[in-house]
Amino acid sequence: GAGVSQSPSNKVTEKGKDVELRCDPISGHTALYWYRQSLGQGLEFLIYFQGNSAPDKSGLPSDRFSAERTGGSVSTLTIQRTQQEDSAVYLCASSPNSGVSSYEQYFGPGTRLTVT
Amino acid sequence: AQKVTQAQTEISVVEKEDVTLDCVYETRDTTYYLFWYKQPPSGELVFLIRRNSFDEQNEISGRYSWNFQKSTSSFNFTITASQVVDSAVYFCALRANNAGNMLTFGGGTRLMVKP
Repeated sequence: GAGVSQSPSNKVTEKGKDVELRCDPISGHTALYWYRQSLGQGLEFLIYFQGNSAPDKSGLPSDRFSAERTGGSVSTLTIQRTQQEDSAVYLCASSPNSGVSSYEQYFGPGTRLTVT
Repeated sequence: AQKVTQAQTEISVVEKEDVTLDCVYETRDTTYYLFWYKQPPSGELVFLIRRNSFDEQNEISGRYSWNFQKSTSSFNFTITASQVVDSAVYFCALRANNAGNMLTFGGGTRLMVKP
């Protein structure tokens, strides 16, 4: 079946602009995660959605970052007033609802964000 | 707090050599899950294995094997008879039961397999 998809694959933006990154999880997966991968910081957790529960936003680095998930499926990560330190690959992952395999996260190809 | 350490940042081997990637973790939780992911040059993280804290049996899958030892908090990954296609960055990760649902990743080990 189809894996996690993300768009765009690459995004170049000017400092100060807002960007939106999109994630389509694997069909039927109820959990969705955003991570960021950068040279200096490695792979960092950003935010987690599970069904209709309130999201776990504990990894968001600043209030310029927000995310939403509509209809329990597609998610959008928004970065406002982008800064150069926001340049990174943003990865989305999803996992099934139940069973021990619900702990396995399946990743999309990522969106490479470059802030100039 | 959870922590995963992959001390080897880069390893270079010649094809057909065996190679072991080290992973050491820290957590206060008694229930946790350990993972290995592969990130080839294409960039997508590929899930390889999940291990539960209450199951210390080692696992073998083809040329891949994993050695989980709670006594040393390690979860090492061995590739037997390495191939050029094994060249990638490998990440070890931890999910602790009482620390949310996110994965805590190690810094990754870049494996280069030369022909």
